[in-house]
Amino acid sequence: EAGVAQSPRYKIIEKRQSVAFWCNPISGHATLYWYQQILGQGPKLLIQFQNNGVVDDSQLPKDRFSAERLKGVDSTLKIQPAKLEDSAVYLCASSFSRNSGNTIYFGEGSWLTVV
Amino acid sequence: GENVEQHPSTLSVQEGDSAVIKCTYSDSASNYFPWYKQELGKRPQLIIDIRSNVGEKKDQRIAVTLNKTAKHFSLHITETQPEDSAVYFCAASVPNNNDMRFGAGTRLTVKP
Repeated sequence: EAGVAQSPRYKIIEKRQSVAFWCNPISGHATLYWYQQILGQGPKLLIQFQNNGVVDDSQLPKDRFSAERLKGVDSTLKIQPAKLEDSAVYLCASSFSRNSGNTIYFGEGSWLTVV
Repeated sequence: GENVEQHPSTLSVQEGDSAVIKCTYSDSASNYFPWYKQELGKRPQLIIDIRSNVGEKKDQRIAVTLNKTAKHFSLHITETQPEDSAVYFCAASVPNNNDMRFGAGTRLTVKP
């Protein structure tokens, strides 16, 4: 079974530039998540989709971050303009449904460095 | 919202010894508690989980215990091996919402 795919794996940008990350979840998984993992910390949920609808974006800095999952499969996370503190690994994850207890499977992550 | 605290932040043990990592959670409605292992540069991977209707679960050298009254749960690794070296994260989520809140992680080092 294919896992969660993410690209690009690594990105270095200057502050105030923009960046976009792409995610393809496990086939059949209705729920998709974007997490931010700052070095030395646990993953922090940015946004959760159920199919193509947002169910939780309370921790997404909406002045600079946006995400979409237009067709209920792939998703894109965008940061514009980037700040130094956005340097982190952006982990996409998916689960079969959003019911508690459904295993969340993570992608390898997109490593962002803002200089 | 849910807040998960994890300790210790680092743990070093000799090969063959046991390792224990502890987590506390704040939301008494939380009912699902997974543990993830993350090797350097790799994705977090689920190693064991426990639901609130169970007090203990074991899978070979790994076990997890849950105390709902005290709102804490622990990961126990016995007979540790060098390949157990990684960062371990605990997490908690509430019913009907798989919004997983993670602890800050424990870096386990197993010395051969």
